[in-house]
Amino acid sequence: QLQLVQSGTEVKKPGASVKVSCKASGYSFTGYYLHWVRQAPGQGLEWMGWINPNTGGTDYAQKFQGLVTMTRDTSISTAYMELSRLRSDDTAMYYCARDLGLEGAANYFFDYWGQGTLVTVSS
Amino acid sequence: QSALTQPRSVSGSPGQSVTISCTGTSSDVGSYNYVSWYQQHPGKAPKLMIYDVSQRPSGVPDRFSGAKSGNTASLTISGLQAEDEADYYCCSNAGRSGVFGGGTKLTVL
Repeated sequence: QLQLVQSGTEVKKPGASVKVSCKASGYSFTGYYLHWVRQAPGQGLEWMGWINPNTGGTDYAQKFQGLVTMTRDTSISTAYMELSRLRSDDTAMYYCARDLGLEGAANYFFDYWGQGTLVTVSS
Repeated sequence: QSALTQPRSVSGSPGQSVTISCTGTSSDVGSYNYVSWYQQHPGKAPKLMIYDVSQRPSGVPDRFSGAKSGNTASLTISGLQAEDEADYYCCSNAGRSGVFGGGTKLTVL
């Protein structure tokens, strides 16, 4: 069945970087955009950006420009999200989510989600 | 891009209907039909409930319906059930970005 399986919990110090992986199975990895969404403790959802696994093209939320890098490895159907210069307010659950992809575009309809990766930033 | 505006909480008794609003601007909700809704239970990943303003994915009960008028989208849940108690988030395309609402906590009394 279709699954997005993310890497495990991370604990980082302020100023460090973190790289979270999202392994897709059960569908054509290159056929659907993948988004990253985060959720701080007790807070709402925040869209971070997307990657087109077919082309490697990306688009990031303005807030994360220069801080986030989204990449993919098509040979292992895995997407990555790297966030640099971590601060305490980057402590959050990070999710990857597949775009439903109507008409082959990024629609921002997230039909499958990973289980989430908790990233804690603390000195 | 500012978050879409949702009421912080709504409530209803079993069997009743509730409507959750999601207000954006002419740059997001008002310009695109790319509005979706998500249900999130505590400790779980969000689940897609409505997409394309009013479409239901396979497996979502028809008690859930969506609509849009101008810059405001809405999610209506009819025949409330205890399992509907959760947080609900709207989301819209805003050009080359996505924006979520702040979330609404639904309590089933």
